[in-house]
Amino acid sequence: EDKVVQSPLSLVVHEGDTVTLNCSYEVTNFRSLLWYKQEKKAPTFLFMLTSSGIEKKSGRLSSILDKKELFSILNITATQTGDSAIYLCAVAPNAGNNRKLIWGLGTSLAVNP
Amino acid sequence: NAGVMQNPRHLVRRRGQEARLRCSPMKGHSHVYWYRQLPEEGLKFMVYLQKENIIDESGMPKERFSAEFPKEGPSILRIQQVVRGDSAAYFCASSPRPNPSTDTQYFGPGTRLTVL
Repeated sequence: EDKVVQSPLSLVVHEGDTVTLNCSYEVTNFRSLLWYKQEKKAPTFLFMLTSSGIEKKSGRLSSILDKKELFSILNITATQTGDSAIYLCAVAPNAGNNRKLIWGLGTSLAVNP
Repeated sequence: NAGVMQNPRHLVRRRGQEARLRCSPMKGHSHVYWYRQLPEEGLKFMVYLQKENIIDESGMPKERFSAEFPKEGPSILRIQQVVRGDSAAYFCASSPRPNPSTDTQYFGPGTRLTVL
């Protein structure tokens, strides 16, 4: 059965810390992996990764994929209180016409001032 | 360019009533996904639709829940005879036509259903 596992489930840090969030997966015919940020509203898209070893970066956030070891990490440097959110990882299996994503449970990040 | 729109944003129903949740995808998007999220829990996939077709409904409860995406108009998630356990946030997401670069789904603001 396809599955996505995120760790840790929750994390509390202080402003300025660097955090690394993990996402491991087992899916049939992997196509892509996506990261989303969810505050008290709808998830917003952060990154989509398809190739191993190529870092995607947006400001203080970056992400990389390892297709051999079947995981991705999301790094946030110099964290701010506005980074407090649930970070969701999802994987798209290559399943023909079915574009359904397989979702992890998320990592709840709290950044304290 | 308007994003995914959902209405109503908040819906209150009494047990036994029907709830209808609407989702208008982003312009040019022909794929719609419905998710349910309970407080302090992750997103649960419910159903994936293209225009006039249900592609995957493996996450839909077998009874009381149905979804459609007609040729014209928004996608509708319908819950008949609601129960308290149906109280949740229901998110709709959309994506454009299939393409390796478009696994990205764009989410609407959600409908928060409360069943009294």
